[in-house]
Amino acid sequence: AQSVAQPEDQVNVAEGNPLTVKCTYSVSGNPYLFWYVQYPNRGLQFLLKYITGDNLVKGSYGFEAEFNKSQTSFHLKKPSALVSDSALYFCAVRDMSGNNRLAFGKGNQVVVIP
Amino acid sequence: DAGVIQSPRHEVTEMGQEVTLRCKPISGHDYLFWYRQTMMRGLELLIYFNNNVPIDDSGMPEDRFSAKMPNASFSTLKIQPSEPRDSAVYFCASSFAQGARQPQHFGDGTRLSIL
Repeated sequence: AQSVAQPEDQVNVAEGNPLTVKCTYSVSGNPYLFWYVQYPNRGLQFLLKYITGDNLVKGSYGFEAEFNKSQTSFHLKKPSALVSDSALYFCAVRDMSGNNRLAFGKGNQVVVIP
Repeated sequence: DAGVIQSPRHEVTEMGQEVTLRCKPISGHDYLFWYRQTMMRGLELLIYFNNNVPIDDSGMPEDRFSAKMPNASFSTLKIQPSEPRDSAVYFCASSFAQGARQPQHFGDGTRLSIL
């Protein structure tokens, strides 16, 4: 079964500094990988996905993520964090076996300090 | 462009009562998912439908939980009887056919409190 690990509970970063949220995955075959963001009292919002092709994918709000097959990682990055980026971030993986389930990580709380 | 719509947004009720949560997926989406989110367990998939047919209900915690999708534009999640441990935020999400490549779109959830 597929799974995702987000090793850090909380990521603190100063406004303007680079932001990285880590994700590693385990799946049989090639993965479909997703990042979502959740703001307080809201549902999860899709940020970006990796299906195939270029290992660096760009998404909403200036976020990007790099797929690394050898390290089974899909870290989320933003060059310059904003206070408004403070939220809960989820990594998710779906395998290609035809199972349409998404396996979500536990989420990382990002706090951007003004 | 309307997203996934859930109702009610908040529900407070006493244990033993029946609770019904409602979801309207995005028009044209073929998959519908029900999730539960708690601090202890994170985000859990309860059940999902494809073309109104339940595909995988292995995440439904027990017989007190049931879900239906009578048509492509409406689904319900019912808890009967409710218990305090059912308190959580329940999310509905939908996605297109060929959903493996497409993201799921989430509603804003129903915050359920069972007293």
